[in-house]
Amino acid sequence: LAKTTQPISMDSYEGQEVNITCSHNNIATNDYITWYQQFPSQGPRFIIQGYKTKVTNEVASLFIPADRKSSTLSLPRVSLSDTAVYYCLVGDGRRNRDDKIIFGKGTRLHILP
Amino acid sequence: DSGVTQTPKHLITATGQRVTLRCSPRSGDLSVYWYQQSLDQGLQFLIQYYNGEERAKGNILERFSAQQFPDLHSELNLSSLELGDSALYFCASSVEGQGSNTEAFFGQGTRLTVV
Repeated sequence: LAKTTQPISMDSYEGQEVNITCSHNNIATNDYITWYQQFPSQGPRFIIQGYKTKVTNEVASLFIPADRKSSTLSLPRVSLSDTAVYYCLVGDGRRNRDDKIIFGKGTRLHILP
Repeated sequence: DSGVTQTPKHLITATGQRVTLRCSPRSGDLSVYWYQQSLDQGLQFLIQYYNGEERAKGNILERFSAQQFPDLHSELNLSSLELGDSALYFCASSVEGQGSNTEAFFGQGTRLTVV
């Protein structure tokens, strides 16, 4: 599995755009990049997934440069309720191979009023 | 609501005891994953089942075991419980077992307290 590195914590203010960058230098050709959000005492929730360039949904955008060695999760106009831990995952998508979904330590995002 | 149901929500038991945690995956999902999350710790992958068969194993203790039944629900059995086993235990399910390339849906967890 490709190892990921992301900041341990970040602070921002309500109404700001927040960008969380994840490094994954050893990403393989088959790997997608997936982000999850976890609130305290709740299970993680899928936010967004992408392979290259840019993906956008109603919650976030994911920017992936051409070399795919990093990715940036962008949360527009955050609110206090976006305070959570954000996990970046890069996996091995080959079927019948290692099917583990491994979470790193994530980025603890704290939104201030 | 993720569609994944875990029971019970809370469990308090004594050291040395055995408990069973249950997980019902989303309808149609064949893959079930179990995770342990201790206070202020990350999600530790324990084990994964796909359509009734064990597919991948993480740092699961020998005192812990799991299985997936023909109806695809799964149970995690924890025995000879120790204080350090107190944690949130999450179950997740996905349509197929493609690891991190798969969107997994997590239940609300079972909070186990060992006293």
